[in-house]
Amino acid sequence: AQSVTQLDSQVPVFEEAPVELRCNYSSSVSVYLFWYVQYPNQGLQLLLKYLSGSTLVESINGFEAEFNKSQTSFHLRKPSVHISDTAEYFCAVSEMIYNQGGKLIFGQGTELSVKP
Amino acid sequence: EPEVTQTPSHQVTQMGQEVILRCVPISNHLYFYWYRQILGQKVEFLVSFYNNEISEKSEIFDDQFSVERPDGSNFTLKIRSTKLEDSAMYFCASTRGSSSGNTIYFGEGSWLTVV
Repeated sequence: AQSVTQLDSQVPVFEEAPVELRCNYSSSVSVYLFWYVQYPNQGLQLLLKYLSGSTLVESINGFEAEFNKSQTSFHLRKPSVHISDTAEYFCAVSEMIYNQGGKLIFGQGTELSVKP
Repeated sequence: EPEVTQTPSHQVTQMGQEVILRCVPISNHLYFYWYRQILGQKVEFLVSFYNNEISEKSEIFDDQFSVERPDGSNFTLKIRSTKLEDSAMYFCASTRGSSSGNTIYFGEGSWLTVV
């Protein structure tokens, strides 16, 4: 079984400051890793994912996450946040399965609040 | 960009009533899911559906819940006799499949309030 822990339930930060949202996971099998974002009154949207290869993955809006196998972490970072980044961020894992869809196991979510 | 659509966006129902939540997954997707998020809690997997049958379900998905793909486009979640603790946001999702690394796309959710 897999589990995901997001260590911070709320992260307040000022605009243009850097931010890190922490995510740790546990699993007895290999997993894929995901970050989803939920803007107010919207559904979940994929922000970025790690499948294989380079351990650093980037999104189109400046977020990046690094897969650290030894620490079983997949922290999300952004060097300079905008007001529009205010949202809830969910880390998730999926057991590595081929030839079928998987299911996502989510963390508790981190509410990022960007203040002017 | 294709998207998963859900109806209704919000439903209030009395305890004991049956509720059907509807979803239209992305058209070329093969795997379908329901997740739920109780207010203030994490998003939880309920059930996955492939090839017209349930492929996996969680312990939350008891006999009160059922899913159906009645017409090749809609994917429904039925709760037979709602309880207060069924109040939650219910998300439908879909993916092309072939690998669990494929992106799972979520709808905007159906907020169910049981009174």
